[in-house]
Amino acid sequence: DTGVSQNPRHKITKRGQNVTFRCDPISEHNRLYWYRQTLGQGPEFLTYFQNEAQLEKSRLLSDRFSAERPKGSFSTLEIQRTEQGDSAMYLCASSLLENNSPLHFGNGTRLTVT
Amino acid sequence: DQQVKQNSPSLSVQEGRISILNCDYTNSMFDYFLWYKKYPAEGPTFLISISSIKDKNEDGRFTVFLNKSAKHLSLHIVPSQPGDSAVYFCAANQGGKLIFGQGTELSVKP
Repeated sequence: DTGVSQNPRHKITKRGQNVTFRCDPISEHNRLYWYRQTLGQGPEFLTYFQNEAQLEKSRLLSDRFSAERPKGSFSTLEIQRTEQGDSAMYLCASSLLENNSPLHFGNGTRLTVT
Repeated sequence: DQQVKQNSPSLSVQEGRISILNCDYTNSMFDYFLWYKKYPAEGPTFLISISSIKDKNEDGRFTVFLNKSAKHLSLHIVPSQPGDSAVYFCAANQGGKLIFGQGTELSVKP
Protein backbone atom coordinates (compact mmCIF):
# COMPACT_ATOMS: atom_id res chain seq x y z
CA ASP A 1 0.00 0.00 0.00
CA THR A 2 1.86 3.05 -1.28
CA GLY A 3 -0.84 5.47 -0.22
CA VAL A 4 -2.31 8.41 -2.13
CA SER A 5 0.34 10.41 -3.95
CA GLN A 6 -0.02 14.07 -4.96
CA ASN A 7 2.24 16.17 -7.14
CA PRO A 8 3.58 18.75 -6.87
CA ARG A 9 3.75 19.30 -3.09
CA HIS A 10 4.00 23.06 -3.56
CA LYS A 11 3.10 25.38 -6.42
CA ILE A 12 3.63 29.12 -6.59
CA THR A 13 2.04 30.88 -9.53
CA LYS A 14 1.14 34.36 -10.64
CA ARG A 15 -2.43 35.51 -10.83
CA GLY A 16 -3.98 34.68 -14.18
CA GLN A 17 -1.84 31.61 -14.87
CA ASN A 18 -3.23 28.08 -15.22
CA VAL A 19 -2.10 25.29 -12.90
CA THR A 20 -2.60 21.54 -12.92
CA PHE A 21 -2.25 19.10 -10.05
CA ARG A 22 -2.01 15.33 -10.20
CA CYS A 23 -3.30 12.66 -7.83
CA ASP A 24 -2.47 8.95 -7.89
CA PRO A 25 -4.91 7.05 -5.66
CA ILE A 26 -4.44 3.74 -3.88
CA SER A 27 -4.51 1.26 -6.75
CA GLU A 28 -7.55 -0.81 -5.76
CA HIS A 29 -9.69 2.21 -4.85
CA ASN A 30 -12.57 3.01 -7.20
CA ARG A 31 -13.47 6.40 -5.77
CA LEU A 32 -11.33 9.52 -5.94
CA TYR A 33 -12.09 12.85 -4.27
CA TRP A 34 -10.73 16.38 -4.43
CA TYR A 35 -10.97 18.69 -1.43
CA ARG A 36 -9.66 22.17 -0.69
CA GLN A 37 -8.53 23.35 2.72
CA THR A 38 -7.77 26.88 3.89
CA LEU A 39 -6.28 27.96 7.21
CA GLY A 40 -8.52 27.32 10.18
CA GLN A 41 -11.10 25.41 8.17
CA GLY A 42 -11.84 21.78 7.54
CA PRO A 43 -11.45 20.20 4.11
CA GLU A 44 -14.13 21.44 1.71
CA PHE A 45 -15.52 19.03 -0.87
CA LEU A 46 -14.87 19.93 -4.53
CA THR A 47 -15.70 16.87 -6.63
CA TYR A 48 -15.50 13.10 -6.78
CA PHE A 49 -15.18 10.26 -9.28
CA GLN A 50 -16.27 6.67 -9.29
CA ASN A 51 -13.89 5.00 -11.72
CA GLU A 52 -13.75 7.46 -14.65
CA ALA A 53 -17.19 8.99 -14.06
CA GLN A 54 -17.42 12.35 -12.29
CA LEU A 55 -20.40 11.78 -10.01
CA GLU A 56 -20.68 15.05 -8.14
CA LYS A 57 -19.28 18.55 -8.28
CA SER A 58 -19.71 21.15 -5.55
CA ARG A 59 -22.10 23.91 -6.52
CA LEU A 60 -19.58 26.31 -5.02
CA LEU A 61 -16.93 25.24 -7.54
CA SER A 62 -16.07 27.93 -10.06
CA ASP A 63 -16.13 27.13 -13.78
CA ARG A 64 -12.40 27.83 -13.75
CA PHE A 65 -11.92 24.48 -11.99
CA SER A 66 -12.00 21.23 -13.91
CA ALA A 67 -11.08 17.69 -12.92
CA GLU A 68 -10.55 14.57 -14.96
CA ARG A 69 -9.92 10.91 -14.34
CA PRO A 70 -9.63 9.62 -17.90
CA LYS A 71 -8.78 5.97 -17.29
CA GLY A 72 -10.21 5.56 -13.83
CA SER A 73 -6.76 5.64 -12.25
CA PHE A 74 -4.93 8.95 -11.67
CA SER A 75 -6.74 12.28 -11.70
CA THR A 76 -5.83 15.86 -12.56
CA LEU A 77 -7.30 19.08 -11.20
CA GLU A 78 -6.82 22.16 -13.34
CA ILE A 79 -7.43 25.75 -12.26
CA GLN A 80 -7.58 28.28 -15.06
CA ARG A 81 -6.87 31.99 -14.67
CA THR A 82 -5.87 31.61 -11.03
CA GLU A 83 -6.92 34.22 -8.49
CA GLN A 84 -5.41 35.01 -5.09
CA GLY A 85 -8.46 33.46 -3.45
CA ASP A 86 -7.49 30.10 -4.95
CA SER A 87 -4.52 29.92 -2.58
CA ALA A 88 -5.14 26.85 -0.44
CA MET A 89 -4.12 23.27 0.20
CA TYR A 90 -5.65 20.94 -2.39
CA LEU A 91 -6.19 17.45 -1.02
CA CYS A 92 -6.90 14.28 -2.92
CA ALA A 93 -8.40 11.18 -1.33
CA SER A 94 -9.46 7.75 -2.46
CA SER A 95 -11.68 5.01 -1.10
CA LEU A 96 -13.16 1.63 -1.85
CA LEU A 97 -16.63 1.42 -3.33
CA GLU A 98 -18.31 0.01 -0.23
CA ASN A 99 -20.65 2.28 1.71
CA ASN A 100 -18.93 4.19 4.49
CA SER A 101 -15.47 3.12 3.39
CA PRO A 102 -13.11 5.71 4.92
CA LEU A 103 -11.31 8.16 2.68
CA HIS A 104 -7.52 7.95 2.56
CA PHE A 105 -5.90 11.31 1.93
CA GLY A 106 -2.68 12.32 0.24
CA ASN A 107 -0.40 14.99 1.69
CA GLY A 108 -1.84 17.67 -0.56
CA THR A 109 -0.59 20.31 -2.98
CA ARG A 110 -0.16 23.75 -1.46
CA LEU A 111 -1.01 26.45 -4.00
CA THR A 112 0.11 30.05 -3.54
CA VAL A 113 -1.15 32.61 -6.04
CA THR A 114 0.80 35.88 -5.98
CA ASP B 1 -24.44 26.75 6.21
CA GLN B 2 -22.06 24.69 8.29
CA GLN B 3 -23.65 21.25 8.64
CA VAL B 4 -20.86 19.90 10.85
CA LYS B 5 -19.50 22.17 13.56
CA GLN B 6 -16.60 21.98 15.94
CA ASN B 7 -16.99 24.97 18.17
CA SER B 8 -13.71 24.69 20.04
CA PRO B 9 -10.77 25.72 17.86
CA SER B 10 -8.25 24.49 20.42
CA LEU B 11 -7.88 22.30 23.50
CA SER B 12 -4.95 21.87 25.85
CA VAL B 13 -4.64 18.79 28.08
CA GLN B 14 -2.02 17.39 30.43
CA GLU B 15 -0.34 14.12 29.44
CA GLY B 16 -2.12 11.13 30.98
CA ARG B 17 -5.46 12.94 31.32
CA ILE B 18 -8.55 12.56 29.15
CA SER B 19 -9.05 14.65 26.00
CA ILE B 20 -12.65 15.24 24.91
CA LEU B 21 -13.29 16.70 21.49
CA ASN B 22 -16.81 17.69 20.56
CA CYS B 23 -18.74 17.92 17.32
CA ASP B 24 -22.31 18.95 16.46
CA TYR B 25 -24.25 18.41 13.27
CA THR B 26 -27.48 19.79 11.89
CA ASN B 27 -28.64 17.21 9.34
CA SER B 28 -30.58 14.37 10.97
CA MET B 29 -30.14 12.32 7.78
CA PHE B 30 -26.44 11.80 8.49
CA ASP B 31 -25.95 8.16 9.46
CA TYR B 32 -22.19 7.66 9.57
CA PHE B 33 -19.52 9.74 11.23
CA LEU B 34 -15.74 9.68 11.22
CA TRP B 35 -12.87 11.32 13.06
CA TYR B 36 -9.65 12.26 11.33
CA LYS B 37 -6.34 13.43 12.75
CA LYS B 38 -4.03 15.81 10.92
CA TYR B 39 -0.39 16.64 11.55
CA PRO B 40 1.18 19.73 9.92
CA ALA B 41 2.22 19.24 6.28
CA GLU B 42 0.37 15.91 6.09
CA GLY B 43 -3.07 14.92 4.88
CA PRO B 44 -5.80 13.90 7.35
CA THR B 45 -5.55 10.32 8.63
CA PHE B 46 -8.61 8.24 9.48
CA LEU B 47 -8.91 7.51 13.20
CA ILE B 48 -12.26 5.99 14.12
CA SER B 49 -15.86 5.93 12.91
CA ILE B 50 -19.37 5.24 14.18
CA SER B 51 -22.64 4.29 12.56
CA SER B 52 -25.89 5.88 13.71
CA ILE B 53 -27.16 2.47 14.82
CA LYS B 54 -24.59 2.58 17.63
CA ASP B 55 -23.97 5.07 20.40
CA LYS B 56 -20.39 4.09 21.15
CA ASN B 57 -17.36 2.70 19.34
CA GLU B 58 -14.04 2.01 20.96
CA ASP B 59 -10.57 1.40 19.53
CA GLY B 60 -7.75 1.29 22.03
CA ARG B 61 -7.34 4.71 23.65
CA PHE B 62 -9.97 6.25 21.36
CA THR B 63 -13.72 6.12 21.94
CA VAL B 64 -16.38 7.91 19.94
CA PHE B 65 -19.81 8.59 21.44
CA LEU B 66 -22.89 9.49 19.42
CA ASN B 67 -25.99 11.19 20.81
CA LYS B 68 -28.48 11.23 17.94
CA SER B 69 -31.18 13.13 19.76
CA ALA B 70 -28.76 15.95 20.49
CA LYS B 71 -27.02 15.61 17.09
CA HIS B 72 -23.75 15.52 18.95
CA LEU B 73 -20.69 13.31 18.88
CA SER B 74 -17.51 13.33 20.89
CA LEU B 75 -14.10 11.74 20.73
CA HIS B 76 -12.45 10.68 23.97
CA ILE B 77 -8.73 9.99 24.14
CA VAL B 78 -7.50 8.39 27.32
CA PRO B 79 -4.79 8.53 28.41
CA SER B 80 -3.65 11.44 26.25
CA GLN B 81 -0.07 11.35 24.98
CA PRO B 82 2.14 14.14 23.55
CA GLY B 83 2.06 12.35 20.17
CA ASP B 84 -1.71 12.94 20.08
CA SER B 85 -1.07 16.66 19.56
CA ALA B 86 -2.66 17.40 16.18
CA VAL B 87 -5.76 18.89 14.60
CA TYR B 88 -8.82 16.64 14.86
CA PHE B 89 -11.67 16.81 12.36
CA CYS B 90 -15.06 15.20 12.66
CA ALA B 91 -16.87 14.38 9.44
CA ALA B 92 -20.26 13.10 8.36
CA ASN B 93 -20.86 10.87 5.36
CA GLN B 94 -23.34 12.37 2.91
CA GLY B 95 -24.02 10.21 -0.11
CA GLY B 96 -20.44 8.98 -0.41
CA LYS B 97 -18.65 12.26 0.29
CA LEU B 98 -17.53 13.59 3.66
CA ILE B 99 -18.62 16.88 5.18
CA PHE B 100 -15.99 18.12 7.63
CA GLY B 101 -16.07 20.33 10.69
CA GLN B 102 -13.60 23.18 11.14
CA GLY B 103 -11.26 21.15 13.34
CA THR B 104 -9.99 21.33 16.92
CA GLU B 105 -6.28 21.67 17.60
CA LEU B 106 -5.31 19.42 20.51
CA SER B 107 -2.16 20.11 22.45
CA VAL B 108 -1.04 17.50 24.98
CA LYS B 109 1.50 18.90 27.43
CA PRO B 110 4.12 16.59 28.98
